[in-house]
Amino acid sequence: EIVLTQSPGTLSLSPGERATLSCRASQSVSANYFAWYQQKPGQAPRLVIYGASSRATGIPDRFSGSGSGADFTLTISRLEPEDFAVYYCQVYGNSRVTFGQGTRVEIK
Amino acid sequence: EVQLLESGGGSIQPGGSLRLSCGASGFTFRLYTMAWVRQAPGKGLEWVSAILSDDSTSYADSVRGRFTVSRDNSKNSLSLQMNSLRADDTAVYYCAQRVEGSFRSWGQGTLVTVSS
Repeated sequence: EIVLTQSPGTLSLSPGERATLSCRASQSVSANYFAWYQQKPGQAPRLVIYGASSRATGIPDRFSGSGSGADFTLTISRLEPEDFAVYYCQVYGNSRVTFGQGTRVEIK
Repeated sequence: EVQLLESGGGSIQPGGSLRLSCGASGFTFRLYTMAWVRQAPGKGLEWVSAILSDDSTSYADSVRGRFTVSRDNSKNSLSLQMNSLRADDTAVYYCAQRVEGSFRSWGQGTLVTVSS
């Protein structure tokens, strides 16, 4: 079973700053099946990045994803007020889906 | 526009059964893998089950043998039959459209509370 570990647990930043979120898998995974989600309180998750580096529809270009093997990164180049939320990484493999535990990006 | 609308949530006693439904529109439902993802109060996301376009299914270990996923392509509908419910099944249950390993669209969720 693949385990995804996200770090840090909480990221305290100011609007305009750069956010770097990490997700490490317990084994090498296919980048094709790696994704990031944003979730705000009381809302369903929203796909941000799929295939490790492709932005989902409607996602602004300040969001970027990178990585391969077991290490993946979500970068938000300049935080906007609407970007403060919880972010989850996710991978699909062997007919199973695993989510990371989440990183909260909060306003400093 | 893809729309997913869950229904069927509610309060149930431990050991009871509940059936969730998800109505889909805005895409060719029969062609897509559909899934259920849940979120316990204040916790993270947990994948529950999936059903492919060929009706093959998969389940998380935590629900295998108790939950059954099904689809009715004629009605663009996804269902989750939940039996032998436990307190740790308490969560918001989301219906989601899976495309190549990621969940492109999500419903708004339906809350299931298992408590005596």
